[in-house]
Amino acid sequence: GAVVSQHPSRVICKSGTSVKIECRSLDFQATTMFWYRQFPKQSLMLMATSNEGSKATYEQGVEKDKFLINHASLTLSTLTVTSAHPEDSSFYICSARTGGAYTEAFFGQGTRLTVV
Amino acid sequence: SQQGEEDPQALSIQEGENATMNCSYKTSINNLQWYRQNSGRGLVHLILIRSNEREKHSGRLRVTLDTSKKSSSLLITASRAADTASYFCASSGAGSYQLTFGKGTKLSVIP
Repeated sequence: GAVVSQHPSRVICKSGTSVKIECRSLDFQATTMFWYRQFPKQSLMLMATSNEGSKATYEQGVEKDKFLINHASLTLSTLTVTSAHPEDSSFYICSARTGGAYTEAFFGQGTRLTVV
Repeated sequence: SQQGEEDPQALSIQEGENATMNCSYKTSINNLQWYRQNSGRGLVHLILIRSNEREKHSGRLRVTLDTSKKSSSLLITASRAADTASYFCASSGAGSYQLTFGKGTKLSVIP
């Protein structure tokens, strides 16, 4: 299947700093990418929809100023966790669909963020 | 938005047995996808079934979809220890790019 690459896989940062996570579609163009958050032993929760060349659409309850999303090209979306706090520690996963709403969605490997 | 619910939440079987997981959703969908997630890793796409399909096969996987009951099932035949993982269903509403995930079933296959 299609490949979505996410980097880094793990990051530890100090409270108050910012962390950038990259999501790349390696063999296809993705006008839309998605960012999820997953707490231990729980399901994935959609945070935002990243749209190439326009503003991201955030789900209710997700702070757009805290989780900055940039989708500057058809193959790259970035999520920046600004002024990170320990409660932001989580597993973040991105995904992209190869085409329209009837196509498969492929996921990155995930990023384990630990804020100390 | 719709939410999927997997059933059971946890399943433990012996290697070689079949594993069946069920998923329910609440609103109309255009397709439903099943994923596998190994602990601490990303999601691996298993199979997509469209709303006009009733059954789909891929290797040892068999997925069914009953839109009248708003439910789907994933059957893994002749399970292996390597099948140990969490399995999620995710559905897309009509015309929507977004996926809504169920809570997942944690499958343990005992060698």
